[in-house]
Amino acid sequence: AQKVTQAQTEISVVEKEDVTLDCVYETRDTTYYLFWYKQPPSGELVFLIRRNSFDEQNEISGRYSWNFQKSTSSFNFTITASQVVDSAVYFCALSEPYNTDKLIFGTGTRLQVFP
Amino acid sequence: GAVVSQHPSRVICKSGTSVKIECRSLDFQATTMFWYRQFPKQSLMLMATSNEGSKATYEQGVEKDKFLINHASLTLSTLTVTSAHPEDSSFYICSASYSGSALSYNEQFFGPGTRLTVL
Repeated sequence: AQKVTQAQTEISVVEKEDVTLDCVYETRDTTYYLFWYKQPPSGELVFLIRRNSFDEQNEISGRYSWNFQKSTSSFNFTITASQVVDSAVYFCALSEPYNTDKLIFGTGTRLQVFP
Repeated sequence: GAVVSQHPSRVICKSGTSVKIECRSLDFQATTMFWYRQFPKQSLMLMATSNEGSKATYEQGVEKDKFLINHASLTLSTLTVTSAHPEDSSFYICSASYSGSALSYNEQFFGPGTRLTVL
């Protein structure tokens, strides 16, 4: 069965520190998609990235970067030089496109960035 | 593009009443809509998947008679919480996707959520 594990429940850092949020997934499919979403206190989910299972290239977008490693079934997310506005809950999710596109979410990691 | 709205954003009701939450895709036709529930400090749990014009598919453990889902048009799905009780208080989020995109995956676009409080 498919599953997403985010072992870190809460992380606290001071502004300008780098922080990595871990995500480990399980799936039997060879074709799947991985996602990261940000949920600020307002509650609205903000899409950050989608990666398909055939693309293991790491991605960088500004202060955000993602490391996808199929060998360890991990899709980790790093924020460089964190800012107070990064404080939110971050969810990793898995989708299997041939299984009704259902999204399976991890339990989330609450990130608090202190000034 | 790909905007999804939800109404109301917040609702407080008395125990035993029914509450309807609307989910609309504003600039695309949503062939599939999903309803999620999120309890405080917990993850999003999929409640049901609905395709336009057909009955919703509920996830295991979700009472279909309590959470009525109607997807009558390609831009509107409604979730009705019938005879709501305090334990139904939660954050309800919908998402919408459409088939036929250039992607092999039908991306889900999320609404802003509805916070339900049952007294």
